[in-house]
Parts: sequence; C-alpha cells; structure tokens
Amino acid sequence: DAGITQSPRHKVTETGTPVTLRCHQTENHRYMYWYRQDPGHGLRLIHYSYGVKDTDKGEVSDGYSVSRSKTEDFLLTLESATSSQTSVYFCAISESTTDTQYFGPGTRLTVL
Amino acid sequence: GQNIDQPTEMTATEGAIVQINCTYQTSGFNGLFWYQQHAGEAPTFLSYNVLDGLEEKGRFSSFLSRSKGYSYLLLKELQMKDSASYLCAVWNQAGTALIFGKGTTLSVSS
Repeated sequence: DAGITQSPRHKVTETGTPVTLRCHQTENHRYMYWYRQDPGHGLRLIHYSYGVKDTDKGEVSDGYSVSRSKTEDFLLTLESATSSQTSVYFCAISESTTDTQYFGPGTRLTVL
Repeated sequence: GQNIDQPTEMTATEGAIVQINCTYQTSGFNGLFWYQQHAGEAPTFLSYNVLDGLEEKGRFSSFLSRSKGYSYLLLKELQMKDSASYLCAVWNQAGTALIFGKGTTLSVSS
C-alpha cells in the first residue's frame, strides 16, 4: 500500500469556523489530489497539485483552498466551513499525471 | 462534456459470476480505471485499461471497447468479501484529473 496518511480522521466543527485537513505521503510522488465523496455524487475533485507550490482547481473548488510547501504534504483549508461541506474527504497521490492514483484513508468531516 | 454511467446496485450469490458495466462519454480518452471501495474505507486500485480487450487479474477481469465507450468489470467465484462499491473512472479532457462514476454497490449473499 502507498504510504499516505490523513489527519484528522474524524472532525466535527461548527459553521463559520476554519478547518484544515492534512495529507502526508512518504512515496515522493509529484501529484497530489483532494476529493470529496458524497452519496449520490461519487468522488469529485476539489484541487490538485503537480509540484511544490503548484496547484490547480478541480470540479468543486469553491469554498476551499490548498497549499503545498513540501513534496510530502498537501493541505486543504475550509476558510469558513458550511454545512454543505459535510463530507468524506480523500487525498490521493500519483507519480505522474496519467498514472494510477492511490488513496489515503479519508477524513470524515461534519459541519454543524 | 464528460459523463460516466454505472448501475447503482447489484446483487449476487457466493460462487457466482457478476458483470458490472460502465459506459462513458469523454473527449481525448486516456484510459479507464476500476476501483473497489469497501464501506467506510478508501478506494483501492483494481485495473487500468488503455487498449481494447480483456485484461485478467485472478478472479477479476476488466474489458474495454473504446469505439463503444464501454467497459465492464467481471468478478468470478464471488466471495462475501467482494461486497463493496465498484467505481469506474476516466481522465478528463486535459488529462489532469480523474472523473469518477457514482459507483455500483455490489451485495454478495450466501
């Protein structure tokens, strides 16, 4: 299994509070991705990174920002959480743009 | 645009064979993935098809027809542990991200 960890694994927060989720990899892969998974929608891409300080938006990026200051870490920030951001968030990594993506264990976020 | 269709749910019995279909519409096809996801867990990679035809990996096989925009995942000798969601995914037009179907939930009963 690819060495990917996510923290925290579970979080409950209140509307309007900032939240940061962390993805950490030990594989030295260049590409990292943040997805959210909701019933009836499947996995949807939020943001992705193709290198340190290089990021781009995905399908559902509104309300989210990301940062990647080191190869191994990719942070997802909800500046002001809303109930619509209640979801399971998965991080994924890949060596190159069309390579297989490997997923982390996920973070279950509940915004009350 | 891009679109992926999979059946929402399927049921089967232990020892049987099941075929999970996936149809897609996309520009600039670069390959199709199948992932397995057990409830409450992360998706795990099953197969990647780029060329037409059948690829076999133990009890699991995956088929691709690019001209028809069609793929299927074939699971043989079903076991209870095969109860999971199966996700079909293709690359977006830019080749920068995967577009996932909503997944097919397979329930295997004894």
